[in-house]
Amino acid sequence: IAGITQAPTSQILAAGRRMTLRCTQDMRHNAMYWYRQDLGLGLRLIHYSNTAGTTGKGEVPDGYSVSRANTDDFPLTLASAVPSQTSVYFCASRVDRMNTEAFFGQGTRLTVV
Amino acid sequence: GDSVTQMEGPVTLSEEAFLTINCTYTATGYPSLFWYVQYPGEGLQLLLKATKADDKGSNKGFEATYRKETTSFHLEKGSVQVSDSAVYFCALRGDDKIIFGKGTRLHILP
Repeated sequence: IAGITQAPTSQILAAGRRMTLRCTQDMRHNAMYWYRQDLGLGLRLIHYSNTAGTTGKGEVPDGYSVSRANTDDFPLTLASAVPSQTSVYFCASRVDRMNTEAFFGQGTRLTVV
Repeated sequence: GDSVTQMEGPVTLSEEAFLTINCTYTATGYPSLFWYVQYPGEGLQLLLKATKADDKGSNKGFEATYRKETTSFHLEKGSVQVSDSAVYFCALRGDDKIIFGKGTRLHILP
């Protein structure tokens, strides 16, 4: 089934540890995004990529990094996790930056303790 | 910068009641506007969209009209069901990204 796959679905992580959240899409979409969802704050954009080989910073990029080596994969890395990074993380994609509809993964629930 | 403001929830209604969730936006130009819905434990999915002024998006009994003069895109449904319980996000297409409102949680009581 075509779509976006995120892994893991949930994770408990000790503060200071490094963690990579995985995101893979099989729709050949050029644009991909990482959002975090927090109660009362809605969805906030962390990083984005308009096409393979390019990335950009969103609204809350500090403490996170991304790479886009190919069209399908867009991993999000927390170099040294802190409790404030406890959140639900959503990966999304769309055909290109001008296309209207975004498709979302099921989310990764991350708890940093 | 571009932004979206939607009414805070939670909104609690009885089944078959009329629903309105308000959404206003600030943007340069005339961006495409969306409503996304998030059911419990799932990611967001597109509910409806409008790409230009006076367009009406509709899906699953929900409607929203792109009002340029009031910079609004209010979501309405004439008769809600328990299965409509979810979080609803208003959004606009900005440069390089989609900008979301904070979401409105909707509870429908049987």
